[in-house]
Amino acid sequence: GNSVTQMEGPVTLSEEAFLTINCTYTATGYPSLFWYVQYPGEGLQLLLKATKADDKGSNKGFEATYRKETTSFHLEKGSVQVSDSAVYFCALSRSYIPTFGRGTSLIVHP
Amino acid sequence: DVKVTQSSRYLVKRTGEKVFLECVQDMDHENMFWYRQDPGLGLRLIYFSYDVKMKEKGDIPEGYSVSREKKERFSLILESASTNQTSMYLCASSFRGEQFFGPGTRLTVL
Repeated sequence: GNSVTQMEGPVTLSEEAFLTINCTYTATGYPSLFWYVQYPGEGLQLLLKATKADDKGSNKGFEATYRKETTSFHLEKGSVQVSDSAVYFCALSRSYIPTFGRGTSLIVHP
Repeated sequence: DVKVTQSSRYLVKRTGEKVFLECVQDMDHENMFWYRQDPGLGLRLIYFSYDVKMKEKGDIPEGYSVSREKKERFSLILESASTNQTSMYLCASSFRGEQFFGPGTRLTVL
């Protein structure tokens, strides 16, 4: 079956540090890949997505590239802010049923 | 702006009560989902629906049922609430694999 593995948190960084959250997946065929973000007390919201190999999704300074050869979709940001503190979920979608990773908590200190 | 709304943000119920959680989406999406979110366990799919009056079990359907009488509304029912159903419940609709989440209902069963 499909599965998503992402690095365990929490990830703790100082403001303006570089962020990487690793995500790898297992799936048949060619799934679409997503990163969602959940701020405290809220539901998840889409951060970025990529629908085919070598696509790069980007939003709010975050980027992730769909790497089929390594089955990965790592999330990166060059300079994090305190307001980026949240839980980040990697997910894939094959047909209409999604598979989520367990989430990675990011804490950014001033 | 697309929207998924949930009937309550916070709910407190007693063991044995029948509990209804309502979810409404205004995007005319075919697919709707109910998840529960618990610390360390990520998102777990309870039920989903791909059309009116159609439903499918997810990974953890025991103790829950659902109803979808209209396209925009998907209800989660706890037939007899128990303390181990204390959790955050998230509703979502989807289009082309992308999930749109409501703000969540934090349910406490005493």
